[in-house]
Amino acid sequence: AQSVTQPDIHITVSEGASLELRCNYSYGATPYLFWYVQSPGQGLQLLLKYFSGDTLVQGIKGFEAEFKRSQSSFNLRKPSVHWSDAAEYFCAVGGYAGNMLTFGGGTRLMVKP
Amino acid sequence: SQTIHQWPATLVQPVGSPLSLECTVEGTSNPNLYWYRQAAGRGLQLLFYSVGIGQISSEVPQNLSASRPQDRQFILSSKKLLLSDSGFYLCAWSPNGRQQGNEQFFGPGTRLTVL
Repeated sequence: AQSVTQPDIHITVSEGASLELRCNYSYGATPYLFWYVQSPGQGLQLLLKYFSGDTLVQGIKGFEAEFKRSQSSFNLRKPSVHWSDAAEYFCAVGGYAGNMLTFGGGTRLMVKP
Repeated sequence: SQTIHQWPATLVQPVGSPLSLECTVEGTSNPNLYWYRQAAGRGLQLLFYSVGIGQISSEVPQNLSASRPQDRQFILSSKKLLLSDSGFYLCAWSPNGRQQGNEQFFGPGTRLTVL
């Protein structure tokens, strides 16, 4: 069975600081990996995805993520955080069985001025 | 382009009352459709998914049900709401008939409060 772990429930960073959100997955084959962002009271928006190829993927809003097969990780990064990045971030892994996605528990990001 | 709508946006219902939440997708055909629930401070729980009209799979047994009366319409229902049904309900779609791993696109959600 596939699973996703986001070890950090809450993270606080200062505006302008760099950010890394951790994601570890368990999957029996080559995974399809996603990061979503959710602002309060809203739906989820796709930030980026990894299907194959280059292990460093670029997304919207200046985010990037790196797939590391040896570590079963897909960490999300941003070099300089803006106050508008405060939100909840979900990592997800998908594969077979009708495009089911399994989501991690989420990481809530707070940004200090 | 594709869009996904959910209504109502917010709903306050008494315990024991019925429920009907609606989700519609525009700009695509034969999508996979999904209902998720997000309890306060929790992650996403997949409730139902559908790969076609009248085809519903349930992930979690509970007092909710889902129906897909039309290709791009997905309805979440309950005959009698429980307090534990409170939460944020998200509908999502993904392309059908393509390779695995397609991303899901989410609607704006419905905030349900059961009193």
